[in-house]
Amino acid sequence: QQQVKQSPQSLIVQKGGISIINCAYENTAFDYFPWYQQFPGKGPALLIAIRPDVSEKKEGRFTISFNKSAKQFSLHIMDSQPGDSATYFCAATSNTGFQKLVFGTGTRLLVSP
Amino acid sequence: SAVISQKPSRDICQRGTSLTIQCQVDSQVTMMFWYRQQPGQSLTLIATANQGSEATYESGFVIDKFPISRPNLTFSTLTVSNMSPEDSSIYLCSVVKAKNEQFFGPGTRLTVL
Repeated sequence: QQQVKQSPQSLIVQKGGISIINCAYENTAFDYFPWYQQFPGKGPALLIAIRPDVSEKKEGRFTISFNKSAKQFSLHIMDSQPGDSATYFCAATSNTGFQKLVFGTGTRLLVSP
Repeated sequence: SAVISQKPSRDICQRGTSLTIQCQVDSQVTMMFWYRQQPGQSLTLIATANQGSEATYESGFVIDKFPISRPNLTFSTLTVSNMSPEDSSIYLCSVVKAKNEQFFGPGTRLTVL
């Protein structure tokens, strides 16, 4: 019940295309859903996050879509750029879980020039 | 956000030895965590570093193997004891700031021979 399932494992997108990464959870106590971007040799960087009271959040080219009834959320990267090539992790946590993050398995994104 | 530094950034150690990793934050934080990221894998929470009391360990992690200190609200150490090649991983500290946002340090890349 603590798992967060992430797909796809890897993704290749052409420059200018839309990258879509999906995550699903089971624990209904989760109330905060961040996405992290990690480049090789670096720590994960917080990209964007959403709470269940909204269905969508947009920051620049990055959008989170959230479906509370389906217990799913996704990251959309519009106009994908080669510089977006990285590994992306979804995560979930709750105040009742003492803010401990449960991570998805990661998606390795490659944006081809 | 938060400025987090870790020392060392990487190390190569011999089997049976111990390594202490330091994590320094630029401001006082209540919640601080230690994660492990095995090569090509996702992040797994090791423990919550509690200021002034013993760390809270996740299932599969024990204090004898991963002793943690948290002497104040800006600093913590994680020791990897009696190392084996299976301990080769990236070790990351993280802190929670306002609005549940969690930020990660750059990581310590450990190789055990």
